Amino acid sequence: DQQVKQNSPSLSVQEGRISILNCDYTNSMFDYFLWYKKYPAEGPTFLISISSIKDKNEDGRFTVFLNKSAKHLSLHIVPSQPGDSAVYFCAARDSGGGADGLTFGKGTHLIIQP
Amino acid sequence: EPEVTQTPSHQVTQMGQEVILRCVPISNHLYFYWYRQILGQKVEFLVSFYNNEISEKSEIFDDQFSVERPDGSNFTLKIRSTKLEDSAMYFCASSERARKSTDTQYFGPGTRLTVL
Repeated sequence: DQQVKQNSPSLSVQEGRISILNCDYTNSMFDYFLWYKKYPAEGPTFLISISSIKDKNEDGRFTVFLNKSAKHLSLHIVPSQPGDSAVYFCAARDSGGGADGLTFGKGTHLIIQP
Repeated sequence: EPEVTQTPSHQVTQMGQEVILRCVPISNHLYFYWYRQILGQKVEFLVSFYNNEISEKSEIFDDQFSVERPDGSNFTLKIRSTKLEDSAMYFCASSERARKSTDTQYFGPGTRLTVL
């Protein structure tokens, strides 16, 4: 049961370039999506979210794009910095259906090369 | 900046023993959650808690698990008789707003539970 899929276990990007992390989902009832960043031995840290009524949300260097028809979202980080090296999790929720819990993807390990 | 805290950071226990994992959610938050992450797997939702009762629980959250808010600040997860497969990172989270809204869950640093 993989309702949220992150198909790239790892991604290597040069410092200063754009990092693009992808996420696909299968549950059409998901209406709220979040990206979390996680360093080793720490908990997930919230980065940015998007509601299904939008197709883009931007916060500083981070932009999330949502394509509902394709059931796909992506996180763009530009420019990438060494401190961005971490595991990034996509998460989704059926808030309209009253679900409390988030459904997570397996994560993508982003490595920023100097 | 307010944050969710968890204790202990690492708990080692023998199979069959009871463990209690503790969390202090962000002070003005109303909803509390427990998640777990088995090594190499994804983060999985266990349970949510609101107004002193369970709001939602997953299939993982069976009779071996219980949650409690014993006072105004702590939120606990109890595993009555631990099994080897309970070994995982356990994350507590909290959120501010009511259900059915686009609110954000903030996570603590986690407790690593090792069952021997």
